[in-house]
Amino acid sequence: EAGVTQFPSHSVIEKGQTVTLRCDPISGHDNLYWYRRVMGKEIKFLLHFVKESKQDESGMPNNRFLAERTGGTYSTLKVQPAELEDSGVYFCASSQGPYSSYNEQFFGPGTRLTVL
Amino acid sequence: AQSVTQLDSQVPVFEEAPVELRCNYSSSVSVYLFWYVQYPNQGLQLLLKYLSGSTLVKGINGFEAEFNKSQTSFHLRKPSVHISDTAEYFCAVSRTGGFKTIFGAGTRLFVKA
Repeated sequence: EAGVTQFPSHSVIEKGQTVTLRCDPISGHDNLYWYRRVMGKEIKFLLHFVKESKQDESGMPNNRFLAERTGGTYSTLKVQPAELEDSGVYFCASSQGPYSSYNEQFFGPGTRLTVL
Repeated sequence: AQSVTQLDSQVPVFEEAPVELRCNYSSSVSVYLFWYVQYPNQGLQLLLKYLSGSTLVKGINGFEAEFNKSQTSFHLRKPSVHISDTAEYFCAVSRTGGFKTIFGAGTRLFVKA
């Protein structure tokens, strides 16, 4: 069974440009999460989808970040316009439902974003 | 709100020596506790988890951790490390029944021959 995949693995862009990161969760997983790790710091939660709906977006840093999950399958995270402080590694994770029980999150390899 | 503090940013150790990676957490509600490992150029992999029950949790690759509620700690241990254990280790918590995971800043374990 394929794991969580992310594309691209690396992206280098200029400040002010737009970048779109993609995450394909494990098939059948209703829950999809985005996290970010800025250099040397903790991995921080960005948001959580349940199917195509945003369940929790409390970690999104500002309105330059837009996450979507089309049809409850793959997800994209767009940064527009990118700033220097957006550099870091963006992780995606997925887990099965339902709400009331523990569901292991499976992580992708991450996308390393560098904004110059 | 929950928070996680990993007390050591880097831990160098010789092969076959024991190691302990320290983690303290803060939470006003009951939590699940986790240790994840990230090998170079790979994603995060769950090493072990505490959900409830026995406070001593055994994970993959010979690692174990002990949940200490009074000390609010969840330290990770291995009695004898291998070169292949060189990686970054993350302690994490989430609310029971919740989904958002809060991570510590990570501890880089360097195993030397």
